[in-house]
Amino acid sequence: EVQLVESGGGLVQPGGSLSLSCAASGFIFSDYYMDWVRQAPGKGLEWVGRSRNKANSYTTEYAASVKGRFTIFRDESKDSLFLQMNSLKTEDTAVYFCAGTYCGGGHCYFVYWGQGTLVTVSS
Amino acid sequence: DIQMTQSPSSLSASVGDSVTITCRASQGISNYLAWIQQKPGEAPKSLIYTASSLHSGVPSKFSGGGSGTDFTLTISSLQPEDFATYYCQQYKSYPLTFGGGTKVEIK
Repeated sequence: EVQLVESGGGLVQPGGSLSLSCAASGFIFSDYYMDWVRQAPGKGLEWVGRSRNKANSYTTEYAASVKGRFTIFRDESKDSLFLQMNSLKTEDTAVYFCAGTYCGGGHCYFVYWGQGTLVTVSS
Repeated sequence: DIQMTQSPSSLSASVGDSVTITCRASQGISNYLAWIQQKPGEAPKSLIYTASSLHSGVPSKFSGGGSGTDFTLTISSLQPEDFATYYCQQYKSYPLTFGGGTKVEIK
């Protein structure tokens, strides 16, 4: 059974930092791209960033709204994905989901989703 | 950035009805489109990829169509478990973008 379990959310002050984790199981973690997607309270889904798979050297992409402040990386030994968030703003308040993304035939689409972890940025 | 526009933003329907949601991309994306379902308080669930292919385990009552800029998601014979918010999402280019969502409610 595939599982993605996020952790690390909580309350942080504006300007602060937080690190989220996503523990993966049930699929070959290194073969999959992995994404972070967030959802502000009462709002829609917003893509945050991506870690490509091992074959693509785990290179990353970011949304403009977080580029330079957020960093995505993996620990292959623990089948875990991380999101390091610095210089947090109130508008970063959201539930953060990790997603497992399959790439094949030139298409890369979300397949697996975690339950999410809530990040609240407030003074 | 590619803008994704869904319509309607919400709709009311009865159990047993069929409904169609539309999604328009601001530029051509071929068939690089996915549909995602989300129920209140739950994680998103991927339904469709490449505009019309169903993910494993997704019932055939869900069907997707379109190519280029205009896409549809049709849900036939609505059941109570189908009442949710549906998002389209393009993955043709970065940044990946979602439509604003269509909330399907019980009439």
